[in-house]
Amino acid sequence: EDQVTQSPEALRLQEGESSSLNCSYTVSGLRGLFWYRQDPGKGPEFLFTLYSAGEEKEKERLKATLTKKESFLHITAPKPEDSATYLCAVQPPAGNKLTFGGGTRVLVKP
Amino acid sequence: GAVVSQHPSWVICKSGTSVKIECRSLDFQATTMFWYRQFPKQSLMLMATSNEGSKATYEQGVEKDKFLINHASLTLSTLTVTSAHPEDSSFYICSAIGDLRNQPQHFGDGTRLSIL
Repeated sequence: EDQVTQSPEALRLQEGESSSLNCSYTVSGLRGLFWYRQDPGKGPEFLFTLYSAGEEKEKERLKATLTKKESFLHITAPKPEDSATYLCAVQPPAGNKLTFGGGTRVLVKP
Repeated sequence: GAVVSQHPSWVICKSGTSVKIECRSLDFQATTMFWYRQFPKQSLMLMATSNEGSKATYEQGVEKDKFLINHASLTLSTLTVTSAHPEDSSFYICSAIGDLRNQPQHFGDGTRLSIL
């Protein structure tokens, strides 16, 4: 059974204070690893898909990286609007089901 | 692109009532739709996967007679919570995916269901 563990559970940052979120996974096979952002009372919003170890993707202040065992979401110089829960999920080689981690709640204070 | 609309966004009803939630893909054809349940401060738990024109596949522990799923067209799936009770209160979220390989799931904004 695929398992996804995210750490830390919660993160409080000052505006401009860069940090990284971790997503560790144990899978029998990986087709893709997904990062989503979820605001309170909303559905997850797609951020990135990573397919192979060594791959990196960037979007504004966010950068996602992937190794064979984990993924990191780096937030550079965060702003208050980056406050959200960040979810990672893994997809097996066959099918489209996702297994989600527990998420990291990020609060960026001005 | 890839917009998924979910309706209603919030529903409050009495115990014993059946509630229907709609999930629509607005600008693409969704060959597969997924229904999730999310408790406060917890992650998404997959309930079922539905493919257009076929029966839904339910995850272990999800009562198929309680949570009826219909995926009648390539743009619409519905989840009906039958004879809802307070323990069914939760945040229900749908997602949809098209027929191209390596597409991400796109999510609706969820439905907050409160059973009194």
